[in-house]
Amino acid sequence: DVKVTQSSRYLVKRTGEKVFLECVQDMDHENMFWYRQDPGLGLRLIYFSYDVKMKEKGDIPEGYSVSREKKERFSLILESASTNQTSMYLCASRILRGRTEAFFGQGTRLTVV
Amino acid sequence: GIQVEQSPPDLILQEGANSTLRCNFSDSVNNLQWFHQNPWGQLINLFYIPSGTKQNGRLSATTVATERYSLLYISSSQTTDSGVYFCAVEIDGVYNTDKLIFGTGTRLQVFP
Repeated sequence: DVKVTQSSRYLVKRTGEKVFLECVQDMDHENMFWYRQDPGLGLRLIYFSYDVKMKEKGDIPEGYSVSREKKERFSLILESASTNQTSMYLCASRILRGRTEAFFGQGTRLTVV
Repeated sequence: GIQVEQSPPDLILQEGANSTLRCNFSDSVNNLQWFHQNPWGQLINLFYIPSGTKQNGRLSATTVATERYSLLYISSSQTTDSGVYFCAVEIDGVYNTDKLIFGTGTRLQVFP
């Protein structure tokens, strides 16, 4: 069975803290994605990666960075958390080549206070 | 960029009713997926449907890529069908990877 696991279901952090959101997949997928979901704005792509150590900016990368040191793990980093980064964060993975479906983790609801 | 619009934005049904959700997209796409987001936030894959029609139990989907729309049919709805339904389209990205762009979603509430 396909499995994408996000490290935390709920997270509360203080403004200015460095925050790490972790995502692990067990399907040997090359592609991994980070989205954030906000009411009225839908799901927006923050960053994606198509290989180890390779990353590309999505539509809203400002205030975020990512790390992909191993194929199965894709980390989203908030260098200095701010209240406007309070959101639901969703990780996804899929095979790089060919037209195949993407699979999502259970989501991390982050609150920055 | 490509626009992906879903209708209706909200839908309230009584258990047992049927419904049709629509996804329109403004440009050619490589593929299309339908997801159901449950009340806990998890996105569940429903259909991967570049064209044609697929069925899975009470759910079915049809994509007409040439006319840039897809439909999701829910028959005999149940309370567990409640949640938000998203369509997502794939467009060409760099490095042979496709970007997945989400629609605005349809919030479905099914009451007993």
